[in-house]
Amino acid sequence: KAGVTQTPRYLIKTRGQQVTLSCSPISGHRSVSWYQQTPGQGLQFLFEYFSETQRNKGNFPGRFSGRQFSNSRSEMNVSTLELGDSALYLCASSLAGGAYTDTQYFGPGTRLTVL
Amino acid sequence: KQEVTQIPAALSVPEGENLVLNCSFTDSAIYNLQWFRQDPGKGLTSLLLIQSSQREQTSGRLNASLDKSSGRSTLYIAASQPGDSATYLCAVKTGANNLFFGTGTRLTVIP
Repeated sequence: KAGVTQTPRYLIKTRGQQVTLSCSPISGHRSVSWYQQTPGQGLQFLFEYFSETQRNKGNFPGRFSGRQFSNSRSEMNVSTLELGDSALYLCASSLAGGAYTDTQYFGPGTRLTVL
Repeated sequence: KQEVTQIPAALSVPEGENLVLNCSFTDSAIYNLQWFRQDPGKGLTSLLLIQSSQREQTSGRLNASLDKSSGRSTLYIAASQPGDSATYLCAVKTGANNLFFGTGTRLTVIP
């Protein structure tokens, strides 16, 4: 079974631009979560989508948004990029059963550099 | 707010040594705890997941324990190998389907 895939793997943008990252979950997984990893803050939860609806949201500004499609693929968008948005963006998928006890499987990440 | 701490931040051991990584969390109301491995610049690989009702999980040379009441977990690695060199992260899942991560322990196994 194919793992979680993320595209693109690397991205360079300039301040003020906007960017869209894509995540394809493991087949059959309906939940997709996004995380930001930086050297200073570590891994932080951005948001989670389940059945095309945002189910949970972390403590990030509104410039960070996302969506999920009917095939469970997800995209996240960051508008008006700032230098501090430079990070590794990871997405994770899970079956997301009602007990919330299933394992999250992570993709390789998208490395975003903002100049 | 859940806070997850990992000690030590970095560890260097000779090949063949057994070692223990520590993880502590402040809110014991967790669904599960997961240990991950991350190689430089890469994503996360899940190593072990312990449900809140379990005390430990084992996979090969890895053994993870969970003491929910005291807010602690340990990851035991037996007979360490150079290929075990990586950053190890623990994460807890609380009410929502999101993980709270520790800051990680960077392990170096010296041949």
